[in-house]
Amino acid sequence: QLQLQESGSGLVKPSQTLSLTCAVSGVSISSGDYSWSWIRQSPGKGLEWIAYMYHSGSTYYNPSLKSRVTISDDRSKNQFSLKLSSVTAADTAVYYCVRGTGDYFDYWGQGTLVTVSS
Amino acid sequence: EIVLTQSPATLSLSPGERATLSCRASQSVSSYLAWYQQKPGQAPRLLIYDASNRATGIPARFSGSGSGTDFTLTISSLEPEDFAVYYCHQRFNWPITFGQGTRLEIK
Repeated sequence: QLQLQESGSGLVKPSQTLSLTCAVSGVSISSGDYSWSWIRQSPGKGLEWIAYMYHSGSTYYNPSLKSRVTISDDRSKNQFSLKLSSVTAADTAVYYCVRGTGDYFDYWGQGTLVTVSS
Repeated sequence: EIVLTQSPATLSLSPGERATLSCRASQSVSSYLAWYQQKPGQAPRLLIYDASNRATGIPARFSGSGSGTDFTLTISSLEPEDFAVYYCHQRFNWPITFGQGTRLEIK
């Protein structure tokens, strides 16, 4: 059964770097059938796509965040990661790791709340 | 960037009624549009992809239609568990974008 589980620091100080990892079980992230993304949701707000990684290693970023974001993978551990630098209170959100099939997001992790505060 | 505008922001209906939710794109996305349902404290769930195809396990009361810039999600007869927030999404062009959501609440 496919599972995506986010982990990382739930509290990050302003100006520091947010780091999250998504452990994937039930499917290989190297599979050519899927993409892997991070999406966030600020409290009480809508969904914001952050970054996308294709099995080939190609990456795409939201232009509004591109200068601060890196998505990467560790195929030996079957996981992928997000780093967001120079965070501010505006980066406080629930962060989801998500699998994409074709052009859509079909499996989502449960989400992890990251709070930016001193 | 393609902007997706959903309407109405909030829809108040009773169980058994028909719900019609709209998503309008700022430019054509062909049929590359999806709908997601999100309940409080849960991750979104894929309902409809390619504008009109139901995802695995989605009940037949959910249907999608449209192409180009105008899309509709219809719930034929509301069940108590359908009251949630619904988002549309496009990946026709980068960057990936979502609509701001429609809250479907019990009247």
